[in-house]
Amino acid sequence: GAVVSQHPSRVICKSGTSVKIECRSLDFQATTMFWYRQFPKQSLMLMATSNEGSKATYEQGVEKDKFLINHASLTLSTLTVTSAHPEDSSFYICSAFKGGVSNQPQHFGDGTRLSIL
Amino acid sequence: SQQGEEDPQALSIQEGENATMNCSYKTSINNLQWYRQNSGRGLVHLILIRSNEREKHSGRLRVTLDTSKKSSSLLITASRAADTASYFCATDAAGTYKYIFGTGTRLKVLA
Repeated sequence: GAVVSQHPSRVICKSGTSVKIECRSLDFQATTMFWYRQFPKQSLMLMATSNEGSKATYEQGVEKDKFLINHASLTLSTLTVTSAHPEDSSFYICSAFKGGVSNQPQHFGDGTRLSIL
Repeated sequence: SQQGEEDPQALSIQEGENATMNCSYKTSINNLQWYRQNSGRGLVHLILIRSNEREKHSGRLRVTLDTSKKSSSLLITASRAADTASYFCATDAAGTYKYIFGTGTRLKVLA
C-alpha cells in the first residue's frame, strides 16, 4: 500500500528557532499534500493544501509567513515553522493524496510532535 | 465551522462486545471516510463509502451512510483490546480534495 514518511517524529527546541518538517510519499507521486495540526485529544485541523509546483493554499486563520510550505517535487512537501514559540507546540501531521483520481483515501505520515521551550 | 461531530466522544467496552460510533456532517459530500489513530501516531485509513452507497463492510468493520440525515456510523464487531484507538470520520468538501475531520471517538476496549 501507499506509504508516507514524515520526518522528524519529534522536535524539541528553543523559542525563536525555525523548524522544518518533511513529508515524503515513498511509493507514489503526490500532486497534493495536506498539512494538519492536532492538539491533545482533539481532531485534526487542516492548515494548508500543498500543490506541487504552485503556492500552497492556507486555511483561514493560518499565518502564511509563520508556516511556510514548499512542494518542490511530486514526492516531497516541507512545512517550516518559522521563529517558533511555545504556542506553536503541537502535533503536526501530513497526508499525501494521489490526485486526479476521485474517491481515494489520504495516506498519512506518522506525525511530528513539536515542543517549543 | 464545517467540522463534523462524532458521538460518543469516548466509549469504553469489554473485549468481545460491539462498538458503534456515529458521525454527523454538514455539507453535501462525494464520500465519507473513517480513519483510526493510535495515540501519538498518524491516521490509518479504514473504509471509504461513496455518497451513493448505503453500507459497506471490511472484516469486522461495518459502515453505514445516510445522506438524507447527513450521518454515518462505524460498527466494530467482536472488539479486541488492539482496537483501542481514536476513530475519526472525514468528509470531502464539495468540489475540492480537502477533507474535514470529525471530532473523533476515543475507544477503549478492556481485556
